[in-house]
Amino acid sequence: VQLKESGPGLVHVSETLSLTCLVSGDSLRGYYWSWIRQIPGKGLEWLGYVFLGGTTNYNPSLKSRLTISVDTSENQFSLKLTSVTAADSAVYFCARSDATADPFRPWGPGTLVTVSS
Amino acid sequence: SYVLTQPPSVSVAPGQTARITCEGDKIQYKSVHWYQQRPGQAPVVVISYDSARPSGIPERFSGSSSENTATLTISRVEAGDEADYHCHVWDSSQFSRAAFGGGTKLTVL
Repeated sequence: VQLKESGPGLVHVSETLSLTCLVSGDSLRGYYWSWIRQIPGKGLEWLGYVFLGGTTNYNPSLKSRLTISVDTSENQFSLKLTSVTAADSAVYFCARSDATADPFRPWGPGTLVTVSS
Repeated sequence: SYVLTQPPSVSVAPGQTARITCEGDKIQYKSVHWYQQRPGQAPVVVISYDSARPSGIPERFSGSSSENTATLTISRVEAGDEADYHCHVWDSSQFSRAAFGGGTKLTVL
């Protein structure tokens, strides 16, 4: 299975950041699909996951601005983060886990998003 | 939220043993996963469930956990081990939310 993030590399302050993770080589079914971000030079921050059927779980620090959804017809899942600020500039990764006790593997290569005024 | 604390940096000479710690409240009761991240790349699992080594990871990598500290041990360190290492747990007390440590930069002298 391979994951690949896509989306705009530049978003303006107060706009909505939209990213997509295309999954190839396996179905979305039965797994937890997460978004994780990393400010360059800093640690990893889990943003949230979606499980097929619509179950979602978000990092409380972002919950009011974040939506993660799945598109089974395209075998992909997406992130929408509203009202972005410069603090949302980061490399965004998508990743899979078999269950909510398991490690994240595999990961996508990541995509750099810069929020600019 | 569940807090994991890692030292920002660890330095070791080639051939020596590196130990990277990850501190968290009662971490022994959680499964700890460790990732290696090289510059410009995505993290890769090197240890899962405290001490399991995935296929393809050298035997030099090992993990342990007790009370409030989990430890990633890299024996006979090589130059190629220089990378950032991150610990990760799922916090089931918070509707199964993932938590990461701040990451440790391993420098091979």
